[in-house]
Amino acid sequence: DAGITQSPRYKITETGRQVTLMCHQTWSHSYMFWYRQDLGHGLRLIYYSAAADITDKGEVPDGYVVSRSKTENFPLTLESATRSQTSVYFCASSGVVGLRETQYFGPGTRLLVL
Amino acid sequence: LAKTTQPISMDSYEGQEVNITCSHNNIATNDYITWYQQFPSQGPRFIIQGYKTKVTNEVASLFIPADRKSSTLSLPRVSLSDTAVYYCLVGLRLNQGGKLIFGQGTELSVKP
Repeated sequence: DAGITQSPRYKITETGRQVTLMCHQTWSHSYMFWYRQDLGHGLRLIYYSAAADITDKGEVPDGYVVSRSKTENFPLTLESATRSQTSVYFCASSGVVGLRETQYFGPGTRLLVL
Repeated sequence: LAKTTQPISMDSYEGQEVNITCSHNNIATNDYITWYQQFPSQGPRFIIQGYKTKVTNEVASLFIPADRKSSTLSLPRVSLSDTAVYYCLVGLRLNQGGKLIFGQGTELSVKP
């Protein structure tokens, strides 16, 4: 099925553990993004990627690592999870339809760090 | 990046037209204005994008005055299902170095 998927959808981990959140899109969009959304707040950009092997920091990159070896995948790794990283993580990809540029968001991964 | 200011919350009733205004006084010449909608527990969904004047699609209209220092998202005849958070984004297109930064958004509550 075409679209953008995230896995896992829910994750509970402990402080200090490494966690990887997966994101996969089937449109071959060049741009992909990772956002976090804390309860009752807006979305904050963590990292984004303009193409395979090209990544750049967003607003809140500390504590996160990304890679983009293939166009369709954009995994986000928390190298040593902290409680402050408990959040909902959204992956997005961006495409152009006519003159319109838009983002398509995944369903989110709810991460709890104990 | 152009800073955006939106009302934190708005209330409306079913069947009314809702207008949400976003201020972006330092918008740059090449910036576009994009609005997203987010329902609880879901990722945001694109609503509409514009550069100047008026843009209309099947969901909403976007009004942008000549000075482009503000924009207004207009939702005709809202229903309960339009209850959501609405975000105004201002920035360059991605292929021009844009990053798509979200602000706080406007929480719209539609009542019966």
